[in-house]
Amino acid sequence: QKEVEQDPGPLSVPEGAIVSLNCTYSNSAFQYFMWYRQYSRKGPELLMYTYSSGNKEDGRFTAQVDKSSKYISLFIRDSQPSDSATYLCAMKGQGGSEKLVFGKGTKLTVNP
Amino acid sequence: GAVVSQHPSRVICKSGTSVKIECRSLDFQATTMFWYRQFPKQSLMLMATSNEGSKATYEQGVEKDKFLINHASLTLSTLTVTSAHPEDSSFYICSASRLSINYNSPLHFGNGTRLTVT
Repeated sequence: QKEVEQDPGPLSVPEGAIVSLNCTYSNSAFQYFMWYRQYSRKGPELLMYTYSSGNKEDGRFTAQVDKSSKYISLFIRDSQPSDSATYLCAMKGQGGSEKLVFGKGTKLTVNP
Repeated sequence: GAVVSQHPSRVICKSGTSVKIECRSLDFQATTMFWYRQFPKQSLMLMATSNEGSKATYEQGVEKDKFLINHASLTLSTLTVTSAHPEDSSFYICSASRLSINYNSPLHFGNGTRLTVT
């Protein structure tokens, strides 16, 4: 079993839809959870950064972490064509030597 | 917010030549930077951890003599692909965080360098 599992998609939705992106993980030591958005031929852009369990909201984006289920989610409300990108989940344990572990990324297309 | 700048964004070189990629943290000091490689439709693969003033730490399977890393200052790390071959063609991305302040700060990424070796 891989440390981080993420459905690669592709996921296609109409403009205005609510998008749900998810990752599961196996390492209970993970404490910090991130979502990155990557446009084609660009580096990943940090969207959300959360610590431990709970929800975090930033504009149209909501990140949820359920450590008991080892499951994290990113919700995008009122999706826009400009949200079309690959979304990568990433996570790490406590401490500076802990490496960031990425999911494979989910390719999202929002159709106008 | 934190910004990481990476240059060049694209480079095409002939087989056997060397290519240098620069990664700069623009508004913070980064004692540690990371170099990743990404293949099409794949996630990021950590190649090495670049430490300011000391040798880089390479991941298993990454040739340190082929991928030379120099972290000469708190804002600059360079990756040199030596004697490049077509199989080195890939998307290389650097990242940095304010690890000197908070070990758990999130990573910020450069925009990547698309290397094509002909």
